[in-house]
Amino acid sequence: ETGVTQTPRHLVMGMTNKKSLKCEQHLGHNAMYWYKQSAKKPLELMFVYNFKEQTENNSVPSRFSPECPNSSHLFLHLHTLQPEDSALYLCASSQEGQGNEQFFGPGTRLTVL
Amino acid sequence: ILNVEQSPQSLHVQEGDSTNFTCSFPSSNFYALHWYRWETAKSPEALFVMTLNGDEKKKGRISATLNTKEGYSYLYIKGSQPEDSATYLCAFRNNDMRFGAGTRLTVK
Repeated sequence: ETGVTQTPRHLVMGMTNKKSLKCEQHLGHNAMYWYKQSAKKPLELMFVYNFKEQTENNSVPSRFSPECPNSSHLFLHLHTLQPEDSALYLCASSQEGQGNEQFFGPGTRLTVL
Repeated sequence: ILNVEQSPQSLHVQEGDSTNFTCSFPSSNFYALHWYRWETAKSPEALFVMTLNGDEKKKGRISATLNTKEGYSYLYIKGSQPEDSATYLCAFRNNDMRFGAGTRLTVK
């Protein structure tokens, strides 16, 4: 148990669906992250939030829309996804500062049909 | 080196063997180097965060070294045990966080 929870753990959706992934951290951290792990690829950083403000968006398509309503919660809203978006989506949090380690959630395994 | 590269890609060792793997990263604009252990069906778990050239860190039988000038870090496991079986990831941090593909270790 890392103190970072994600729901749902598994999600199957059609290309026309709208769904949201949820992440919650119970560690008092001030930074939260979304990562994507596709098959046979390294973890890719998607979005970073520091103190609820988005500080990075690594050229992620607009069909992925993050939301950070407070420092403990992070959402990833999904709309009109493609089959190639099927992947493991991991959330992480950290106390921002030089080199502070990130704590990861268990991930959501997403399948887009 | 523009990306983070890890070698070997996979490794099989016998229980009790010592082993090591390499992480290579860009040598410019260094901020931090992270090592994570990722066991199947679990979350990645932080092992070390290294920030200074020449850093050496140790946690039990696992240790790591850092050379920021030449852009590499080594992770060492002494006396491997079956519970060490996992994928070991390194991540280079400057403006963003770039992960290597990992080294998958199997201890029999």
